Amino acid sequence: SQQGEEDPQALSIQEGENATMNCSYKTSINNLQWYRQNSGRGLVHLILIRSNEREKHSGRLRVTLDTSKKSSSLLITASRAADTASYFCATARDTGGFKTIFGAGTRLFVKA
Amino acid sequence: GAGVSQSPRYKVTKRGQDVTLRCDPISSHATLYWYQQALGQGPEFLTYFNYEAQPDKSGLPSDRFSAERPEGSISTLTIQRTEQRDSAMYRCASSLQMGLGIPGELFFGEGSRLTVL
Repeated sequence: SQQGEEDPQALSIQEGENATMNCSYKTSINNLQWYRQNSGRGLVHLILIRSNEREKHSGRLRVTLDTSKKSSSLLITASRAADTASYFCATARDTGGFKTIFGAGTRLFVKA
Repeated sequence: GAGVSQSPRYKVTKRGQDVTLRCDPISSHATLYWYQQALGQGPEFLTYFNYEAQPDKSGLPSDRFSAERPEGSISTLTIQRTEQRDSAMYRCASSLQMGLGIPGELFFGEGSRLTVL
């Protein structure tokens, strides 16, 4: 089963525009992470936000977390064609031992 | 090692055969995960290890699937009597713990693509 639900499932934008992806989850979490995957390659970690944090930045990435709404968003500013990839949120939750569960992902296409 | 290494990268087998996939995690990482990923989908949790302990194997689809990490380092995922529906990418990841067993950033291998004919 998958814990997170990303929205939208797919997103197509022009280079230079901002891309926003959302993630909702069901249970309480310790942290939430965002990953990127290019064309079926391995997943690459982008950013981790802890449950007691509300916002975090890394380069052109901005992540927010609202634990009251059980949701997170990933903003990519000034997108580039090279940002074309699938983006997944993953939550670390306590089920008697922590495990990290992924959502179904958002497929981002950035047109040059 | 420098990164997470998985083998084989590709495996084609006939229905009914057993297959074993191997994962060599980053040497300092206590936690190791196995995921199954279908094309166009997110990674589905199978099981994980903290060192050699296996706290959760709830994601294993059936008793044909098993995983081991006997010395807390290299792990194997074995699928017995393979079926066509087992065809997928199997991904291994490892991580340090952030304290109290909480997983941090996951480092993924390139995966093992299994095709069952």
